[in-house]
Amino acid sequence: DVKVTQSSRYLVKRTGEKVFLECVQDMDHENMFWYRQDPGLGLRLIYFSYDVKMKEKGDIPEGYSVSREKKERFSLILESASTNQTSMYLCASSSREGRNEQFFGPGTRLTVL
Amino acid sequence: GQNIDQPTEMTATEGAIVQINCTYQTSGFNGLFWYQQHAGEAPTFLSYNVLDGLEEKGRFSSFLSRSKGYSYLLLKELQMKDSASYLCAVRDRASGGSYIPTFGRGTSLIVHP
Repeated sequence: DVKVTQSSRYLVKRTGEKVFLECVQDMDHENMFWYRQDPGLGLRLIYFSYDVKMKEKGDIPEGYSVSREKKERFSLILESASTNQTSMYLCASSSREGRNEQFFGPGTRLTVL
Repeated sequence: GQNIDQPTEMTATEGAIVQINCTYQTSGFNGLFWYQQHAGEAPTFLSYNVLDGLEEKGRFSSFLSRSKGYSYLLLKELQMKDSASYLCAVRDRASGGSYIPTFGRGTSLIVHP
């Protein structure tokens, strides 16, 4: 059974803290994505990676950075968390071949106080 | 860039048929996806269309017209468990040999007895 896992389901941090969100997939997928999902705004792409050590900005990269040192792992970093980064964060992966449908992790609900 | 429109909310009765529309404007179309997302859960893949026409999979069907920039998801014999958000995603931009989807804001479907 294919799987995308995220390090935490719920996380509470304080303004100014550095936050790491980890995502691991076991499907040997080339592509990995980080989204945030907010009510009324849908899924918005923060960053994606199409290969190890490769990264590209999505639609809302400001305030975020990413790291992909290994194929199976894609990390999202909030250098200095702010209250407007309170959101649901979803990681996804997809193969470069075929339909490229995305497989999503369960999400991390991040609250920044 | 892209513009993807779908209704915010729809309601329907158990056992009925419902059609969820999605219209899009894109510079280089390369496929359209529908995902289902139950409250508090991750999106899961439902269907994929890249050529015009209807794709049927059990109670769910998806239609695409590329010339009109239009798709719909048809759900038959509605069940209470079909209450969920339905996300339309259009794939058009490419990076590193991979195509990246952009999501609409989702349609919340409420099925009542």
